[in-house]
Amino acid sequence: KQEVTQIPAALSVPEGENLVLNCSFTDSAIYNLQWFRQDPGKGLTSLLLIQSSQREQTSGRLNASLDKSSGRSTLYIAASQPGDSATYLCAVFNAGNMLTFGGGTRLMVKP
Amino acid sequence: SQTIHQWPATLVQPVGSPLSLECTVEGTSNPNLYWYRQAAGRGLQLLFYSVGIGQISSEVPQNLSASRPQDRQFILSSKKLLLSDSGFYLCAWSASIEQFFGPGTRLTVL
Repeated sequence: KQEVTQIPAALSVPEGENLVLNCSFTDSAIYNLQWFRQDPGKGLTSLLLIQSSQREQTSGRLNASLDKSSGRSTLYIAASQPGDSATYLCAVFNAGNMLTFGGGTRLMVKP
Repeated sequence: SQTIHQWPATLVQPVGSPLSLECTVEGTSNPNLYWYRQAAGRGLQLLFYSVGIGQISSEVPQNLSASRPQDRQFILSSKKLLLSDSGFYLCAWSASIEQFFGPGTRLTVL
């Protein structure tokens, strides 16, 4: 059974810092991986989708990488802003296009 | 563009009462539809998914059921709610790979 772990569980940084969020998964036979953002009491916003054949995806200040062989993905946020404060979730797809989620990293960016 | 709606946004129900949560998607045809639950202190768990009208698959045994009466409508139901059914319920859709989530329904069972 696939297990997805996100470290750290919580992170507090000053505004302007570059930061890395980590996601690891136990079964490397994944198809794709998706990163989400969740604001308190809200639904999930899709940030980046990395397909199995890709190694990274970029959107603005966000860059996500995928290393299937080591069972890891990272989400890099450049020049963090207070508006980036949220919980970040990674999720891996299985063969049936079902998602297994990690527990999330709660990010606080202080002005 | 595609839009996903969920209602109600919040719901407080007594134990033993019935439940009906609705999810609708606009701007796409024949989407895959999903129900997830996010319980306090726990991660997101897939409850049901559907690849077409009347086709429902359940991921975990539970007190809930799902139905898809129309192409872009997905309903989550229960005949008798339990305290453990409390949580944040999220509906999602996908056309191919990427999944897109609705705003969620906060359910509190007292």
